[in-house]
Amino acid sequence: EVELVESGGGLVKPGGSLRLSCAASGFTFSDYSMNWVRQAPGKGLEWVASISSSSEYIYYGDSLKGRFTISRDNAQNSLSLQITGLRADDTAVYYCARVNTGRSFSFDDHWGQGTLVTVSS
Amino acid sequence: DIQMTQSPSSLSASVGDRVTVTCRASQTISRYLNWYQQKPGKAPSLLIYAASRLQSGVPSRFSGSGSGTEFTLTISSLQPEDFATYYCQQTYDTPITFGQGTRLEIK
Repeated sequence: EVELVESGGGLVKPGGSLRLSCAASGFTFSDYSMNWVRQAPGKGLEWVASISSSSEYIYYGDSLKGRFTISRDNAQNSLSLQITGLRADDTAVYYCARVNTGRSFSFDDHWGQGTLVTVSS
Repeated sequence: DIQMTQSPSSLSASVGDRVTVTCRASQTISRYLNWYQQKPGKAPSLLIYAASRLQSGVPSRFSGSGSGTEFTLTISSLQPEDFATYYCQQTYDTPITFGQGTRLEIK
């Protein structure tokens, strides 16, 4: 069974940094691209970043470049998101999701339960 | 960036109703359109991918159609567990973008 478990969220002061992790199991992690998606309280879904299976391709949301860094460790079946210069509008639940690219179409077929990041003084 | 616009933003319906949600893209995205369901406090769950392909395990009362810029999600006969928020997502180009969501409520 595919399982994705996020961790690392918490309360952080503005300007601080945080590293989120996503532990993957139940599938061959190194075969799949992965996404981070976030959701501010009471708001919709916002794509944050994507990383290809071997980390050769990395993409970020337009407003997030420079403060967010996505990475992965295929030996450890782990995905990470480093966030620096945290701002109040980064407060959100952060989800990791597995990207399935069946027949060239791309979709997030499994999601973790999310980890809450709260930025407040 | 490709803008995704869902309509309506909210919808009240009864068990057994047929419901349609529309998603429009600001430029053509072929069939690179996915639909997700999200219940309160839970992660999103994939319903439909590639505009019309039903994800494994999803009930057949859910269906998707469309291509280019206009897409629809249809629930043929609403069940109590279907009351949730629905999002469309385009993966034609980065940045990947979602619609703003459609909240489906019990009438």
